[in-house]
Amino acid sequence: DAGITQSPRHKVTETGTPVTLRCHQTENHRYMYWYRQDPGHGLRLIHYSYGVKDTDKGEVSDGYSVSRSKTEDFLLTLESATSSQTSVYFCAISESGQGSPLYEQYFGPGTRLTVT
Amino acid sequence: AQKITQTQPGMFVQEKEAVTLDCTYDTSDQSYGLFWYKQPSSGEMIFLIYQGSYDEQNATEGRYSLNFQKARKSANLVISASQLGDSAMYFCAMRAKSGGGADGLTFGKGTHLIIQP
Repeated sequence: DAGITQSPRHKVTETGTPVTLRCHQTENHRYMYWYRQDPGHGLRLIHYSYGVKDTDKGEVSDGYSVSRSKTEDFLLTLESATSSQTSVYFCAISESGQGSPLYEQYFGPGTRLTVT
Repeated sequence: AQKITQTQPGMFVQEKEAVTLDCTYDTSDQSYGLFWYKQPSSGEMIFLIYQGSYDEQNATEGRYSLNFQKARKSANLVISASQLGDSAMYFCAMRAKSGGGADGLTFGKGTHLIIQP
């Protein structure tokens, strides 16, 4: 199994509060991703990183920011949580980025976030 | 833009039967990868199999095989001799080489497979 952990695994927070989710990997992979999973939508890309301090937006990036100060850690921040951000959040890692589409992504266990 | 379509929201299959989960895709890229993931009720995403757009042979991994028909833009997952533990959500996903968009996988909405004894 790929060494990916996410913390916290579950969180309940109130509307308007900031929330930070952490993804930690031990595989030394360059590429890291944040997805959210909602019923009827599959998984959708929020943000991704192609190296330390190099990040870019995905399909559903509004309301989220990310940071990557070390290869092993990728943080997802909800600056002011809203009820629409209640979801399951998955982190993923990959050896290669878009230049080589054949490398699979390995996923962390997920974080269930509830915004009340 | 890339799109993945899974037309079977749910399927019931008898144990030991073969299962085919449908996936069609749309992309203008010539180089892309197609992936299948399994999500059991415990919630984790498990990588099963991938197929590259230039691969001439269909991918196989144990009981899983990918029926890749490039002209039809389909990448169906076949599970041989289904087992009760195969009950899960199955997601088809794609990653294209360029596309001009963000890196990352584009997912279908999934198929909920239930294996009955």
